[in-house]
Amino acid sequence: NAGVTQTPKFQVLKTGQSMTLQCAQDMNHEYMSWYRQDPGMGLRLIHYSVGAGITDQGEVPNGYNVSRSTTEDFPLRLLSAAPSQTSVYFCASTRGTGGTGELFFGEGSRLTVL
Amino acid sequence: AQSVAQPEDQVNVAEGNPLTVKCTYSVSGNPYLFWYVQYPNRGLQFLLKYITGDNLVKGSYGFEAEFNKSQTSFHLKKPSALVSDSALYFCAVREPGGYQKVTFGTGTKLQVIP
Repeated sequence: NAGVTQTPKFQVLKTGQSMTLQCAQDMNHEYMSWYRQDPGMGLRLIHYSVGAGITDQGEVPNGYNVSRSTTEDFPLRLLSAAPSQTSVYFCASTRGTGGTGELFFGEGSRLTVL
Repeated sequence: AQSVAQPEDQVNVAEGNPLTVKCTYSVSGNPYLFWYVQYPNRGLQFLLKYITGDNLVKGSYGFEAEFNKSQTSFHLKKPSALVSDSALYFCAVREPGGYQKVTFGTGTKLQVIP
């Protein structure tokens, strides 16, 4: 079982460059979300989606865009990378209604912005 | 707004001794509470959850947690620590139905000393 798959695992960008972090899940989960993990700050919610075509902002959405054209995929776009976006990014999914609520996480994407 | 506090950045315990990782929360209504574990350079893995029912919940790898409504706490425990338990532990909370809005604590690093 693949679960939640994130690519790339590592990426180095220069300030001002753009890129997309990919996330795919094969569990037919309704809910998908993106978190960033920074030392001493835990995980902070960037954007989330409650289903195909529906997205909303989380706690720290500035500088990021998302879309959800299919149930399986939930890419995160950095529009113009800044050093403050250096972080480890995690995609997560959960079933939603009828599910037991725990999140399933990808292995993470470590991004460095120079 | 919901919140989670993990008051200890690090907990050290000798192998074979009982361990406790503390968590307190704040949420409107009845809480859904979770513990996750993160090994180095990996994504978070679900350990256990409290939704309703018995205040003592059992999870993976011999871990358990006790829900205390009056103290708004959900401490993670294990009777006998293993060196392999050394990892980063996160407590998380959400409101009923709030699948996408999960709030994480800042994490507690557990170090089990041989």
